[in-house]
Amino acid sequence: EEQLVESGGGLVKPGGSLRLSCAGSGFIFSNAWMNWVRQAPGKGLEWVGRIKSKPDGGTTEYAVPVKGRFTILRDDSKRMVYLQINSLKIEDTGVYHCSTGIFLDNWGQGTLVTVSA
Amino acid sequence: QSVLTQPPSASGTPGQRVTISCSGSFSNIGSNTVNWYQQIPGTAPKLLIHSNNQRPSGVPDRFSGSKSGTSASLAISGLQSEDEADYYCAAWDDSLNGYVFGTGTKVTVL
Repeated sequence: EEQLVESGGGLVKPGGSLRLSCAGSGFIFSNAWMNWVRQAPGKGLEWVGRIKSKPDGGTTEYAVPVKGRFTILRDDSKRMVYLQINSLKIEDTGVYHCSTGIFLDNWGQGTLVTVSA
Repeated sequence: QSVLTQPPSASGTPGQRVTISCSGSFSNIGSNTVNWYQQIPGTAPKLLIHSNNQRPSGVPDRFSGSKSGTSASLAISGLQSEDEADYYCAAWDDSLNGYVFGTGTKVTVL
């Protein structure tokens, strides 16, 4: 069974940094495109970015609001994908989910990031 | 802000048919396929429909999707209490070079 488990969330001050992790199991991780999607409290879904599989180039794409501050990395040997978040803003507060594939087929339960002074 | 527009709410009684619209533009729905997600409050989203009208394994055939031009729709027939959830459309946007979600529709079963 395909499973995704996020970790690394927490309370951070504005301007701080955080690295979120997502561990994948039950599928061929190295072939999977991996996405990050966030959801602010009481709000809708917002795609953050994705990293393609290495066979497909391993390139990244980001949503406009996070470009330059967010970086997605992957370590296929550890079956992990990471979201490095710098210069955190209050509006970055929310639950961050990782998700697989072009269609965002499967999702983890998410990890909560709270940005507050 | 979302570039795909959905009605904020929809409702129906058990057994009824409910339809949710999703309006976009040429750069997203007009040029790419549409996916739909269901999110029961407090849980992770679940892929419901991909490629406009394809159901992943395990999704009941009560759910169907369609697309025409720069709009798409999700239909739920034979509405059931467990269908009470938030529903989001999504598509790749060529102008933004990113994946965009709709504003979301809360479905209530009366």
